Amino acid sequence: DVKVTQSSRYLVKRTGEKVFLECVQDMDHENMFWYRQDPGLGLRLIYFSYDVKMKEKGDIPEGYSVSREKKERFSLILESASTNQTSMYLCASSFPYQTGPTYNEQFFGPGTRLTVL
Amino acid sequence: AQTVTQSQPEMSVQEAETVTLSCTYDTSENNYYLFWYKQPPSRQMILVIRQEAYKQQNATENRFSVNFQKAAKSFSLKISDSQLGDTAMYFCAFTHGGSQGNLIFGKGTKLSVKP
Repeated sequence: DVKVTQSSRYLVKRTGEKVFLECVQDMDHENMFWYRQDPGLGLRLIYFSYDVKMKEKGDIPEGYSVSREKKERFSLILESASTNQTSMYLCASSFPYQTGPTYNEQFFGPGTRLTVL
Repeated sequence: AQTVTQSQPEMSVQEAETVTLSCTYDTSENNYYLFWYKQPPSRQMILVIRQEAYKQQNATENRFSVNFQKAAKSFSLKISDSQLGDTAMYFCAFTHGGSQGNLIFGKGTKLSVKP
């Protein structure tokens, strides 16, 4: 089974702090994604990566950056946390090649509930 | 722009009954994939069912089935014999073949199964 893990389930930070959210997947997936989830807004894509050291902006990249130094790990960085970044953050990974039944299926981590005070 | 619309923010159903969740999407692509994801209160998002646009047959997974109407761009999820464990947020999602796997999600439907 694919396993996607996130470093924390709950995190409380103060305004202005630098925040790191870590995500690790164990299925050798090329693609990794970071979303934020807010009530009534669904999932919004922040950044994604389709290879090591590659990154692409999603729909709401402002205030965030990412790092992918190893294939299995994708980090989301809040350079200077603000209260409007209080949210649920979900990481996902997927296999982009059309050679198996899980093509384009995204596998999700348990989420990190971040509160910025 | 491609969009996914779930018009029912909340729904409820009695245990053992059947419920249908609606989803419509907008795309000009011919090669695409549709998904229903379930997010129980514990928050782990899991795949319920997927449909490839080139397949005419509606996908089925045990008590879950879809009604895929390609011309109408409609992709509804039917849950039969509803169980308390089906209580969750349900998200409809879309991707097309050349998208690098990016999913576009609807805003979700909160389903409550009542005993």
